[in-house]
Amino acid sequence: GAVVSQHPSRVICKSGTSVKIECRSLDFQATTMFWYRQFPKQSLMLMATSNEGSKATYEQGVEKDKFLINHASLTLSTLTVTSAHPEDSSFYICSARSGGALGELFFGEGSRLTVL
Amino acid sequence: QKEVEQNSGPLSVPEGAIASLNCTYSDRGSQSFFWYRQYSGKSPELIMSIYSNGDKEDGRFTAQLNKASQYVSLLIRDSQPSDSATYLCAVNRRAAGNKLTFGGGTRVLVKP
Repeated sequence: GAVVSQHPSRVICKSGTSVKIECRSLDFQATTMFWYRQFPKQSLMLMATSNEGSKATYEQGVEKDKFLINHASLTLSTLTVTSAHPEDSSFYICSARSGGALGELFFGEGSRLTVL
Repeated sequence: QKEVEQNSGPLSVPEGAIASLNCTYSDRGSQSFFWYRQYSGKSPELIMSIYSNGDKEDGRFTAQLNKASQYVSLLIRDSQPSDSATYLCAVNRRAAGNKLTFGGGTRVLVKP
């Protein structure tokens, strides 16, 4: 399957700081990438859809000013958690679709954020 | 009714037996369906995709789709302890702009 790489895999930061997570599609171009968040023992929740060259679209209840998304190229999307707080501690996972709008979705390795 | 529903489990299966997982969805316009496996602390890994009614087999895995009844299932034959994980059903919902909607997942425990 297609390869999606995410970095860093783990990050610990102090409350009030910002954290950037990178997501790369390694062997295909992705005009659209998706960012999910997963709390312990819960399912994946879509946060936002990252669109190359345009603004991201956010799901209801997700603060766009807190979770900044940039999709500067066909292979790279970044998620910045601004002014992080302990309640932002979670597992953030990016994904990209290979093969069109109905194609398979492949996930990055995930980034575990812990805010102290 | 949730858009995609799964029994949370745990589904306990003896080693070598068949694990049967079910998933129902509410959007009749859904066009593509996926099963993911997620180990604890890891990101989901795609196991199967299915787009048309009937069965699709890949190794020990068989996905079954019935659009009229709005369910999709996954069979794991000759279950191994390494199959112990949470299995996520995902549906491409046209009503949601072709975004993937995930079920809550079914936890499977394969006991030696």
